[in-house]
Amino acid sequence: EVQLVESGGGLVQPGGSLRLSCAASGFTFSNRAMSWVRQSPGKGLEWVSAINGGGDTTYYADSVKGRFTISRDNSKNTMYLEVNSLRVDDAAVYYCAREFHSNKGVSFDYWGQGTLVTVSS
Amino acid sequence: QSVLTQPPSVSGAPGQRVTISCTGSSSNIGAGFEVHWYQQFPGTAPKLLIYSNSNRPSGVPDRFSGSKSGTSASLAITGLQAEDEADYYCQSYDNSLSGFHVFGTGTKVAVL
Repeated sequence: EVQLVESGGGLVQPGGSLRLSCAASGFTFSNRAMSWVRQSPGKGLEWVSAINGGGDTTYYADSVKGRFTISRDNSKNTMYLEVNSLRVDDAAVYYCAREFHSNKGVSFDYWGQGTLVTVSS
Repeated sequence: QSVLTQPPSVSGAPGQRVTISCTGSSSNIGAGFEVHWYQQFPGTAPKLLIYSNSNRPSGVPDRFSGSKSGTSASLAITGLQAEDEADYYCQSYDNSLSGFHVFGTGTKVAVL
């Protein structure tokens, strides 16, 4: 059974940092690209960042480029998101999601339960 | 700001058919990229409902169906049930300078 478990969220002041983790099980982690998707309270879904299976190719939404860093440790079946220079509008539930690549698109076939990041002074 | 537009809400009586539209542009749906749909209940993670325009993952009832035409896509729910009351999001890929994976604005389905 595929499982994704996020951790690392919490309350942080504006300008602060956090390291989010996503522990994966139930599939060959190194074979699958992964993404982070966030959802601000009462709002819609926003893709944040993605990383390929090998960990050598990364992608970022413009809204987080230069502030967030995605990485993975395939020996630990874990993906990370370093979130720096946090702003109030970064407050959200952060989900990790497994990517499913098809002919002309990428969907997210499994999601974790999410970890809440609160940014407030 | 989402580049895929959905109606904020749709509603129907049990047993009815409802549809949710997802309107994009020539840099995403119109460029031939596939559309995927997710169902989300309050306080829970999204769940993949339809992938690659019209395919259902194992376990998704055939009451749910998807289609795509031009720069838009649609999700249809036939035989609406009380348990279908949730938020629904479309998702695709956008090849504009600032695009990548993009989600729709989301639609709340209410069962009357």
